[in-house]
Amino acid sequence: DVKVTQSSRYLVKRTGEKVFLECVQDMDHENMFWYRQDPGLGLRLIYFSYDVKMKEKGDIPEGYSVSREKKERFSLILESASTNQTSMYLCASAEQVPLIAKNIQYFGAGTRLSVL
Amino acid sequence: QKEVEQDPGPLSVPEGAIVSLNCTYSNSAFQYFMWYRQYSRKGPELLMYTYSSGNKEDGRFTAQVDKSSKYISLFIRDSQPSDSATYLCAMRPGVTGNQFYFGTGTSLTVIP
Repeated sequence: DVKVTQSSRYLVKRTGEKVFLECVQDMDHENMFWYRQDPGLGLRLIYFSYDVKMKEKGDIPEGYSVSREKKERFSLILESASTNQTSMYLCASAEQVPLIAKNIQYFGAGTRLSVL
Repeated sequence: QKEVEQDPGPLSVPEGAIVSLNCTYSNSAFQYFMWYRQYSRKGPELLMYTYSSGNKEDGRFTAQVDKSSKYISLFIRDSQPSDSATYLCAMRPGVTGNQFYFGTGTSLTVIP
């Protein structure tokens, strides 16, 4: 079974703090993703990475950065947390796209972040 | 226009009912279609996966894809209270692109 582990289930931070959200997957997947999920807005892609040290902006990258130094680990960084970044953050991983493949994303349990 | 549209509900049904959940999409390049189930305060878990058009059945769940209408459905037979969750549809193109496209989710409650 694929396992995607997010380091924290719940986090409470103060405005202006630097926040690190960590994600580790154990299936040697090339692709990893960070989403935020808000009521009525669904899943919105923040960043994704298709290889070590490679990253691409998603739909809402402002205020976030990412780091992928090792294949299994993908970190999301909030440089200076703000109250509008209070949300559920979901990490996912997926295989690279070969010609015929089971292209599925596997999700972690999520980190519920509150910024006060 | 969003790439994927999904009625958010909420949908409330009695136990034992047949449930139909639906998504429409605009990008004809989508070839892989998925349904995820998300319980409250948990991450989404994969429920069903289909490639291209047709039906796929797994126990009480049936996923249906109609590419000509750009419409996908998830049917739940003999619904149970444990099926109460938010259901997300997801899709992606074929050999190009790494991005997945999600619906906003439909909230389902099955009343005992």
